[in-house]
Amino acid sequence: DGGITQSPKYLFRKEGQNVTLSCEQNLNHDAMYWYRQDPGQGLRLIYYSQIVNDFQKGDIAEGYSVSREKKESFPLTVTSAQKNPTAFYLCASSTGQRNEQYFGPGTRLTVT
Amino acid sequence: AQTVTQSQPEMSVQEAETVTLSCTYDTSESDYYLFWYKQPPSRQMILVIRQEAYKQQNATENRFSVNFQKAAKSFSLKISDSQLGDAAMYFCAYIYPQGGSEKLVFGKGTKLTVNP
Repeated sequence: DGGITQSPKYLFRKEGQNVTLSCEQNLNHDAMYWYRQDPGQGLRLIYYSQIVNDFQKGDIAEGYSVSREKKESFPLTVTSAQKNPTAFYLCASSTGQRNEQYFGPGTRLTVT
Repeated sequence: AQTVTQSQPEMSVQEAETVTLSCTYDTSESDYYLFWYKQPPSRQMILVIRQEAYKQQNATENRFSVNFQKAAKSFSLKISDSQLGDAAMYFCAYIYPQGGSEKLVFGKGTKLTVNP
C-alpha cells in the first residue's frame, strides 16, 4: 500500500522541550511539505523540500527545523523557540509538476 | 500576494440536495492549478477535484463539479445529490510556481453540514 505515514497521532510535550514529528512516504515522490493547521485557519506552509538534502522555508518557519537525508523521510522538529507550538501538523508529498499533494493523517501536538 | 478566499465559513444542505461552495483567488500568474480538498472529522485531507487554468472546460468528478471563471478568478465547487458522508471542511487551494519549485496556498475553509 502506497501512502504517507505520520507518527505519532497524538504527542504531548512540556514547554521548553524540542520534539520531532515523523513523516515517511513510499510514493517515490520528490517533493515533501509540512503544514500547520489551527482552528479557523487554512493550512500554512512551514517547510518544503523538492529534493534530498535541500529544503526551503515556508511562510511560518520560525521555531521549526527540518532535514531531508532520504527521499522517503522528512522529519519536522518543533523547537523551544516556537512560541505557540500546540497545533495539528500535516505532512504532504507530491511529484511536483503542479500535481496534487497527498497528505498524511496528521499529528496533533499539545505543549503544556 | 497569492491569496485564496473562501467567503462562507459554514454552509448546510439537505441530503440529496445541491450545494455550491465559493472560492476566489488572487494571482498574477497565467499558469496555475486549482484544487478542492475535503477534510472529514478524521482530519485526513482528501483531494476532491482539480482544474488546470489553461483548460476552459470545467472539471467533473462524479457528483462534484467546478465552475471555473478564469477572468473573475473564481473557482466554486458544486456538490450534487449531497450525502451524509459529504459533511466535512472543504478547502480551496491554488498552486503556483516559485523559484524553481511550487507552492500550494489554501483558503481558510468552509464547514459543510449535511442534514438528513
